[in-house]
Amino acid sequence: QKEVEQDPGPLSVPEGAIVSLNCTYSNSAFQYFMWYRQYSRKGPELLMYTYSSGNKEDGRFTAQVDKSSKYISLFIRDSQPSDSATYLCAMKGPTNAGKSTFGDGTTLTVKP
Amino acid sequence: GAGVSQSPSNKVTEKGKDVELRCDPISGHTALYWYRQRLGQGLEFLIYFQGNSAPDKSGLPSDRFSAERTGESVSTLTIQRTQQEDSAVYLCASSLAGRGLEQYFGPGTRLTVT
Repeated sequence: QKEVEQDPGPLSVPEGAIVSLNCTYSNSAFQYFMWYRQYSRKGPELLMYTYSSGNKEDGRFTAQVDKSSKYISLFIRDSQPSDSATYLCAMKGPTNAGKSTFGDGTTLTVKP
Repeated sequence: GAGVSQSPSNKVTEKGKDVELRCDPISGHTALYWYRQRLGQGLEFLIYFQGNSAPDKSGLPSDRFSAERTGESVSTLTIQRTQQEDSAVYLCASSLAGRGLEQYFGPGTRLTVT
């Protein structure tokens, strides 16, 4: 079993919809939780990260971590066609150095 | 400023040949990471360099894989006696020391082993 499982998608939504992307994990040592966006044939780019449980908001994006359930989510409000990409969750712990463990990604298409 | 660069962008090689992939990190970034991404999958950690510390090689899948880094600059990932299952995109990332959450990725090298 993988340490990080991500909803496989693909996901297709109309412009303006609220999108929910989710990951579960098994390693309770994970303390840092990241979301990356990857456009086709490009390297991933960091969207946001959170430490431990709680919510973090950045513009239209909200990251949510529930350590008791080992479940993390990324919500995208008012989705735009430019949000169409693959979203990868990643986790690290107990320090912020060293390797990250990634999910397999969810491909999102936002239709105009 | 310049981001992480990788070369070549694409590499096609025959099974059994050796390949060398190059990564130029962002200037001043002391931490450097290599990942492998197979088609439709997430990133698989390979190796991590931090300054002059011993690298974390725990992700290298076999002894055919090795990596070096010259000081705090260029890194090369070498795959010897390539196999078809080595076909993937190889991604390099760099970060500032102590800022491992903020990794900046290069565009990757797409390796195809025929």
